[in-house]
This record gives sequence, structure tokens and C-alpha cells, in this order.
Amino acid sequence: NAGVIQTPRHKVTGKGQEATLWCEPISGHSAVFWYRQTIVQGLEFLTYFRNQAPIDDSGMPKERFSAQMPNQSHSTLKIQSTQPQDSAVYLCASSLADSGNTLYFGEGSRLIVV
Amino acid sequence: GDQVEQSPSALSLHEGTDSALRCNFTTTMRSVQWFRQNSRGSLISLFYLASGTKENGRLKSAFDSKERRYSTLHIRDAQLEDSGTYFCAAVPTGFASALTFGSGTKVIVLP
Repeated sequence: NAGVIQTPRHKVTGKGQEATLWCEPISGHSAVFWYRQTIVQGLEFLTYFRNQAPIDDSGMPKERFSAQMPNQSHSTLKIQSTQPQDSAVYLCASSLADSGNTLYFGEGSRLIVV
Repeated sequence: GDQVEQSPSALSLHEGTDSALRCNFTTTMRSVQWFRQNSRGSLISLFYLASGTKENGRLKSAFDSKERRYSTLHIRDAQLEDSGTYFCAAVPTGFASALTFGSGTKVIVLP
């Protein structure tokens, strides 16, 4: 069991560029979550999928952010026209079910927008 | 988030001593999970509780089963490797399924 795998681990991008982050959940887990962590805001929920379907994206910024889960083995978080305030560690997590089971986190993707 | 109030924000304790962290919830929660974040940033799950208590080695966690408004994490006989930032996170009762995190407790264990 390799755990939740996130790539890239680090990404530096210029303001206005696009950034795509990948997540491979633990095999067999049906729920996939995206969180963002900053020093100021702490850990913030962004969005989650159950059986690849988007269930709750209430934490996603309304513009420039999108998430997809095209198959059960990976999810992507895309940020268009990145801004310095998007700099954060983006964490992906998976669980067997969405609320009744332990959540397992990946090591995160650190995004720096310069 | 506003729903999860974690205290203290920081804690220093000497090896061999005991301490407790607490999370108060502004609404009833369905379940709570405790994590430790290490220096690399990895969030490691310590406990998942829907009610009652769980114990693992020197760590013990409790979730108030009646009111469902608070949870505690006890560290017994603290060791240097217990240093890190501890987070509690909880799922409100109702339809929500995503964890809401507290702001964390930075624990430093001193020799």
C-alpha cells in the first residue's frame, strides 16, 4: 500500500500561469478530498469526490480553480491564471467511504506563485 | 474553521510528563479525527472516533458521546518523537462529509 501519492511535490510557477496538481488515492478508496494549507488560513477544505462524482465543492474559489476525477485512480486540481495568494500546500486525501472512515493524506504539493 | 476550536495553540512539555489537547465544537459532530503533522508536512492519522475512547500506546483520545461537542487527546509519558503539530478535525452531523480542521497545537517535547 503506497498511500496517497501526490505530484509534483513542489512547483514554482509565474503569476498568470496555469498549475495542475495530481493525486492518486489509495486503491479501493471511494472518497477523494482536496485541502489547502497555509500559515494564515490553516487547513481549508476545497472539494471532494465520491466514486469519481463531484459531491461538494463548497470550498473551491469560484474562479480559476477546478477539480476533476476522470477515473478511480487519479484526481487533478487545476488552477488557472495563478496568483501569489494561491501559494499553499495542496493536500489530497482518500478514505474508504466519505465520512465514516479514517482519512489518509498524501504528502502534499507545495505551490509557490512568484 | 470556526466550528472547531482547538487549544492550546502551543505546548511545551518535558520528556516523561503528561498533557492533554482539547477541541471544542460549536455544533454537534458526527465523528472526530486526530492527526499529527511532522516536520516534512505529512499528516498522519492518529485516531478516528465516532464515539467513546481509543488508546494507542501512550496516546489516548476521547469524544464526548452525549453532547458530541468536544474531544480530547492525552499524551502520556511524552517522548521527543511526540513533537509535532497536532490537529483535530470533525464532521458535522447532517449531510456534510468533509472534515473541518482546528487550527492545530504545536507540541514541543523537551529533553
